[in-house]
Amino acid sequence: GENVEQHPSTLSVQEGDSAVIKCTYSDSASNYFPWYKQELGKGPQLIIDIRSNVGEKKDQRIAVTLNKTAKHFSLHITETQPEDSAVYFCAASPYTTSGTYKYIFGTGTRLKVLA
Amino acid sequence: NAGVTQTPKFRVLKTGQSMTLLCAQDMNHEYMYWYRQDPGMGLRLIHYSVGEGTTAKGEVPDGYNVSRLKKQNFLLGLESAAPSQTSVYFCASRDRVDTQYFGPGTRLTVL
Repeated sequence: GENVEQHPSTLSVQEGDSAVIKCTYSDSASNYFPWYKQELGKGPQLIIDIRSNVGEKKDQRIAVTLNKTAKHFSLHITETQPEDSAVYFCAASPYTTSGTYKYIFGTGTRLKVLA
Repeated sequence: NAGVTQTPKFRVLKTGQSMTLLCAQDMNHEYMYWYRQDPGMGLRLIHYSVGEGTTAKGEVPDGYNVSRLKKQNFLLGLESAAPSQTSVYFCASRDRVDTQYFGPGTRLTVL
């Protein structure tokens, strides 16, 4: 069935360094790839997304890249700050002709930014 | 504009008890979702709705029922709670450009 694998499960970086989280999806019909940040005790919040017709998207310190051939997409955070510490989830959403939009989530990456 | 709200925030049930979780959104979104979040397993879709009066099964629907009588509300019911249903439950709604908005979650413990 549809599956999204996410690595690593935990990641510790020094403040100011970069962090990279990688996801692999199985359904070649997937065409929308969001990334969510979840802070302790809160619901996930969208931080960036990318569609299958784009290879890279950037928003200030955050960027996402997509390799459709390899079915990989990655989140890049540069100049990390303590407030970036959270759990990050990737997701993939396959296009369906019936219009039923569902999202398959990765298992999450706990990012710790060390001051 | 409150976004997506969930009630209650916390609940403790005994095995076999029933309860209903309420999700409300004020963004006029058609799509609404219920997920459960367990350690190391990410978010798994329980049920979803593509509009008022419609519901559909997700990845892990067993033991849950849902209703969408009004567009702004999506209810998740547990008829006979089991310890395996101990989890954090998140509701979400989707706008026209695929963005999902999540509620703050309900932490449920079944003893």
